[in-house]
Amino acid sequence: NAGVTQTPKFQVLKTGQSMTLQCAQDMNHEYMSWYRQDPGMGLRLIHYSVGAGITDQGEVPNGYNVSRSTTEDFPLRLLSAAPSQTSVYFCASSYVQDGNTIYFGEGSWLTVV
Amino acid sequence: DAKTTQPNSMESNEEEPVHLPCNHSTISGTDYIHWYRQLPSQGPEYVIHGLTSNVNNRMASLAIAEDRKSSTLILHRATLRDAAVYYCILRELMNYGGSQGNLIFGKGTKLSVKP
Repeated sequence: NAGVTQTPKFQVLKTGQSMTLQCAQDMNHEYMSWYRQDPGMGLRLIHYSVGAGITDQGEVPNGYNVSRSTTEDFPLRLLSAAPSQTSVYFCASSYVQDGNTIYFGEGSWLTVV
Repeated sequence: DAKTTQPNSMESNEEEPVHLPCNHSTISGTDYIHWYRQLPSQGPEYVIHGLTSNVNNRMASLAIAEDRKSSTLILHRATLRDAAVYYCILRELMNYGGSQGNLIFGKGTKLSVKP
């Protein structure tokens, strides 16, 4: 049981490049989500999913795409990286039942130059 | 916007109890109260959650006011490893296709523990 696994852990991108942050969980959780955290701030929700084929936008979705083709995986795509997307990204998952614990990955540090 | 209010920072001495307050005056009847903490350079870690009754686990206790408009996270004996940012979060009832069920983070309380 590996929990929530994010890759890569560190990445440097040039402005305008695209990339995908990978997130996988092995707990058969229906709910998965992506957050970003800027220095000194709390986490802000980007996108989330409540099951395969179902995704929805969070608080800060612009510049990001997601898809959920399997229960296990929830990749986050940066379409055309901008310096404002320099941040730490966290993936999270849980069951959808009331009040269940949400598990977070260790984070992906992204720098856009 | 975050629906909870917490002090920006608190200090504690090692091996003493710590009471971290949280106000959530607009809580609805189905909102769960969750506490997470985040150590430096790590992802948030679940601490405890509750709905109406006080809750205890191996990490902490959660005391919920009778009107549910406030709660307190209690660390019974603070250690240096408890130094972290503690987030008090309301998690709404999960509703497929809607925005409920997500954790909406505020800035949390930064807890410092002195030896």
